[in-house]
Amino acid sequence: EIVLTQSPGTLSLSPGERATLSCRASQSVSSSYLAWYQQKPGQAPRLLIYGASSRATGIPDRFSGSGSGTDFTLTISRLEPEDFAVYYCQQYGSSPELTFGGGTKVEIK
Amino acid sequence: QVQLQESGPGLVKPSQTLSLTCTVSGGSISSGGYYWSWIRQHPGKGLEWIGYIYYSGSTYYNPSLKSRVTISVDTSKNQFSLKLSSVTAADTAVYYCARGAQGVIFDYWGQGTLVTVSS
Repeated sequence: EIVLTQSPGTLSLSPGERATLSCRASQSVSSSYLAWYQQKPGQAPRLLIYGASSRATGIPDRFSGSGSGTDFTLTISRLEPEDFAVYYCQQYGSSPELTFGGGTKVEIK
Repeated sequence: QVQLQESGPGLVKPSQTLSLTCTVSGGSISSGGYYWSWIRQHPGKGLEWIGYIYYSGSTYYNPSLKSRVTISVDTSKNQFSLKLSSVTAADTAVYYCARGAQGVIFDYWGQGTLVTVSS
């Protein structure tokens, strides 16, 4: 099983600032099969990024993903008020077994 | 626009079987290439993949839950279902159904349903 470790656990930032979220895998994620999701309280997760760097339909270009192998990053270039949420990474390179990271909460400073 | 909606009891007694159904609208569940999935989230915690059923009928389960999980599909009703047996309080969670695409990313989700295991 590939274990995904997200850091930091909580990120305290102000609107307009840049957010950098990390997702580290216990072993290489094949073909960069890594996705990122955003979850707001009381809502289902929303797909942001897949294939490590491709934005899902309708996702603003302030969200970007990068990385390969075992180290992946989600960057939000300028935080908007609606971006304060919890973010999860998910690997699907070892499909059929899928795993999620523990999440990073981006909170208003 | 694909939509998914979970339904089922919100309270299950310990040792019994949790049963949930996901109704899909806006698309056929038997159309090719999708992994009809269940994911859960313990209160205040992260996401846990439970398993999925491929459009062909093949199933894949999280090894940690495999002995207790069954996912099935009813194409006539455009629904798929989850059964989790021998539940304990540790199975209390919000259960989501989701559509898996492109091997496997979850592009559409239900709103989630809270299932509490308690006597």
